[in-house]
Parts: sequence; C-alpha cells; structure tokens
Amino acid sequence: AQSVSQHNHHVILSEAASLELGCNYSYGGTVNLFWYVQYPGQHLQLLLKYFSGDPLVKGIKGFEAEFIKSKFSFNLRKPSVQWSDTAEYFCASPPPGGFKTIFGAGTRLFVKA
Amino acid sequence: GAGVSQSPSNKVTEKGKDVELRCDPISGHTALYWYRQSLGQGLEFLIYFQGNSAPDKSGLPSDRFSAERTGGSVSTLTIQRTQQEDSAVYLCASSRPQETQYFGPGTRLLVL
Repeated sequence: AQSVSQHNHHVILSEAASLELGCNYSYGGTVNLFWYVQYPGQHLQLLLKYFSGDPLVKGIKGFEAEFIKSKFSFNLRKPSVQWSDTAEYFCASPPPGGFKTIFGAGTRLFVKA
Repeated sequence: GAGVSQSPSNKVTEKGKDVELRCDPISGHTALYWYRQSLGQGLEFLIYFQGNSAPDKSGLPSDRFSAERTGGSVSTLTIQRTQQEDSAVYLCASSRPQETQYFGPGTRLLVL
C-alpha cells in the first residue's frame, strides 16, 4: 500500500540542538514531497516542498530537507532549534499520477528553553 | 477571501444529532480535502474532491459521514447521528492538483 512514514512520534530537544526528522515514502516514480507544520493553536501550513531540481530544499525559519531517491526519503533538518520551533511536523506526498495526498502520522517536537 | 475558511469554528452537539460542517476553499483551487484530527492522533484523511466529484471517499469512517461539493467551490461535510467518538477537529484544505495544500482553521466538534 502507498504510505508515508515518519519514524519519530515525539522528539524533545534543548535549544540550539540539531534536529533531523525522518520521512519515508513507499512509491517510485516522480514524487512531490512536502513538510507541513502546525504551531500550537495555529493552522497547518507549508514548511517546504520538493517538486524537482536540487534535492536539498530550503524552507522557512531555517529548515531544510533532502530528497534521497535511492532511500525513498525526505528528511527534515535544522542545525539549531529554537523554543519557537515547538510544533507538530507532518511529511506528505501525493502518489504519482494521483491527487490524494498521503500524510505521515506527524512528529511532535518540543524544544526546551 | 484570501484563505480557506470553515464554519462553524466550534460546534457542540448531542449524541444522535446531525451536524453539517462547511468549507470555503481558495478561489480557483479545484482540489478540496477533508481531514479529521483527533486529540493525540495524526491527520486522518476523510475525502477528496476534484471539482464536484469525489474520486476518493476511502477515508470516510462510516456511512454516517457524507460530503458534497457544489459549483466547484463550497463543500459540506455531514455527520448523521453523531457519536462521541466523532469528537475531533475537522480540517478542510484546498489546492491546485498535486500542489501545496492550504488549510483552514478547522471546526472543533464536541459530541456530548
């Protein structure tokens, strides 16, 4: 079955620590990949996306993600987290040729000040 | 408006009553999605519309749930004979096909 998997359900970090959240998808072909973020009390919003080109994608607030086709992965990274990064992060992707977007289960990140 | 809007923002209802939730997508977005987000749970896909048709209803949890979209714009999600387990935040999103989804603020449903 087509799926998007996030490996970490809860992550707790101290400020200035580095962050990497895993995301894997299960299908081949041309893929579009997204990371969305939901800050406490706010809407889900786009953090960054990959459609084609440079596999290292820069997003808002210092986040980046790397598309590694051979590993079916699109991991999210940030070199130094801040307390304000506390949020829930969702990886998502529509299977090739389809319109429905499949979301991962989400990762809740808590950053200690 | 500039974004996706949903109404009502909050709904409290009694078990067994029907509820109707509304979503106004961004103008020009042909794709519309409904999701459910329960406390401590991830994002649960309910249904997807392309235009007025729903090619994927696979996420609807039971036949008490239905949705329609008219004029390629507004969508309503109807839950009949609500149950306590239906309590959740119901999110709507719209997009151009395969592109970024823009989410509304959600409707918080509480079934007593």
